[in-house]
Amino acid sequence: GESVGLHLPTLSVQEGDNSIINCAYSNSASDYFIWYKQESGKGPQFIIDIRSNMDKRQGQRVTVLLNKTVKHLSLQIAATQPGDSAVYFCAENNAGGTSYGKLTFGQGTILTVHP
Amino acid sequence: GAVVSQHPSRVICKSGTSVKIECRSLDFQATTMFWYRQFPKQSLMLMATSNEGSKATYEQGVEKDKFLINHASLTLSTLTVTSAHPEDSSFYICSARPAGRVSEKLFFGSGTQLSVL
Repeated sequence: GESVGLHLPTLSVQEGDNSIINCAYSNSASDYFIWYKQESGKGPQFIIDIRSNMDKRQGQRVTVLLNKTVKHLSLQIAATQPGDSAVYFCAENNAGGTSYGKLTFGQGTILTVHP
Repeated sequence: GAVVSQHPSRVICKSGTSVKIECRSLDFQATTMFWYRQFPKQSLMLMATSNEGSKATYEQGVEKDKFLINHASLTLSTLTVTSAHPEDSSFYICSARPAGRVSEKLFFGSGTQLSVL
């Protein structure tokens, strides 16, 4: 079936470095992508989203890049801080259909930021 | 921003008992809510789509008689794990889709950790 996956299950960086988390998706019909941050024992926290008519979107310290040609999504975190340590998930949805909100999640990347 | 409240945050029960988990949208109406399950160190897996005023739609492999979903109002969906067994121990998370606003981002509850002894 269709799925969303991640290349790297863990990522360790030093405080102040930039972090890049990658995600591959396989559903060509997906037109809405979201990155979530999940801390231990908590629900996913929205970070940033992007629609398929865009290839880049920036937020506060975060940037999402979308490459539809190779079905690849990435999350860039600038000046990573210890508080950024968490599991990061990408998720995809076919926002144009009645299934809006029905998300398929990637496997997740554990980000560890060392002081 | 929109808030989704989930209760309880943690529950421990004996095998064979039933457990009810509530998911509430606090400042918006949600005609559709989604229930996910997450095992340790794994991703979130969609269990079912909860539709206000109608039957829930279950994903393949999810037993509808075991995971009862009720969405009786525009702000509340409940998931009841019936006759829980240790293998049902998991982190259950709900999300809510604001009614009539397909462009809005989705919000998740804080999750419920279920431990079945």
